[in-house]
Amino acid sequence: KAGVTQTPRYLIKTRGQQVTLSCSPISGHRSVSWYQQTPGQGLQFLFEYFSETQRNKGNFPGRFSGRQFSNSRSEMNVSTLELGDSALYLCASSPKTGGAIDTQYFGPGTRLTVL
Amino acid sequence: AQSVTQPDIHITVSEGASLELRCNYSYGATPYLFWYVQSPGQGLQLLLKYFSGDTLVQGIKGFEAEFKRSQSSFNLRKPSVHWSDAAEYFCAVGAAGGYQKVTFGTGTKLQVIP
Repeated sequence: KAGVTQTPRYLIKTRGQQVTLSCSPISGHRSVSWYQQTPGQGLQFLFEYFSETQRNKGNFPGRFSGRQFSNSRSEMNVSTLELGDSALYLCASSPKTGGAIDTQYFGPGTRLTVL
Repeated sequence: AQSVTQPDIHITVSEGASLELRCNYSYGATPYLFWYVQSPGQGLQLLLKYFSGDTLVQGIKGFEAEFKRSQSSFNLRKPSVHWSDAAEYFCAVGAAGGYQKVTFGTGTKLQVIP
C-alpha cells in the first residue's frame, strides 16, 4: 500500500502570496490531519478532516484553511503569507475505523520557505 | 487540554549503550500515547503506541515504552543503541472523544557516537 504523499515537497513564496499544499492519504484512510513544524514551536496541530468535514482545529489564524475531497485527498491553503509561516507542513492520515483516536501515518512533508 | 513534556532536548549516547528518553504527559482521562521518530528531512514514523492494556509496549526497531499512570510518564527505552537510531524522537498524547487531535512534545534529538 502506498504511503501518504504530499506535493509539492519544496516551495518558495514571497510575503503576501498565497499557497496551496496537497496531501493524498493512504488508500482507505478517511481522516487527514495537518501539522506545522518549526524549530521554535515544534509540531503544532492545524486541523483535522474526516469525511470532508473539519472535525477539529488548532490555534492558528484564519489565513490557514483546508478542505477534504470525497476521495479523502486534502488541501491546505495559507493566504497572505508571512515570514513566520516558513515551516515544514506535515500531513497525516488515519483509518478512523472507530470512535476512538487512531494511529496516524505521516507524509514526508512540504517545506515552505517565505521570503 | 492535554500537554506533553520531553525534558531532554538533546541526548548523546555511545553505540551499544542503553537508552531512555523521558516523556511526561498531562491529561485528565486515560491517555492515548505515542512515540514517533523523525530522521532529517523526513516525516514522522510511528515507533509504538499505548491505548490500553499491558503497560509495557513493544515497538519497532527494538524500542519499548512503559506507561506509568502514577508518574504520568511514558518513557521510551532501547537496550542497545545503533548508529542508525540517531534522529529526533517525539512523544505525543491524543485526546479521546473521536477527534484526531494529537499534541506533540518538543522532541529529543538523539546523537549516537561510535
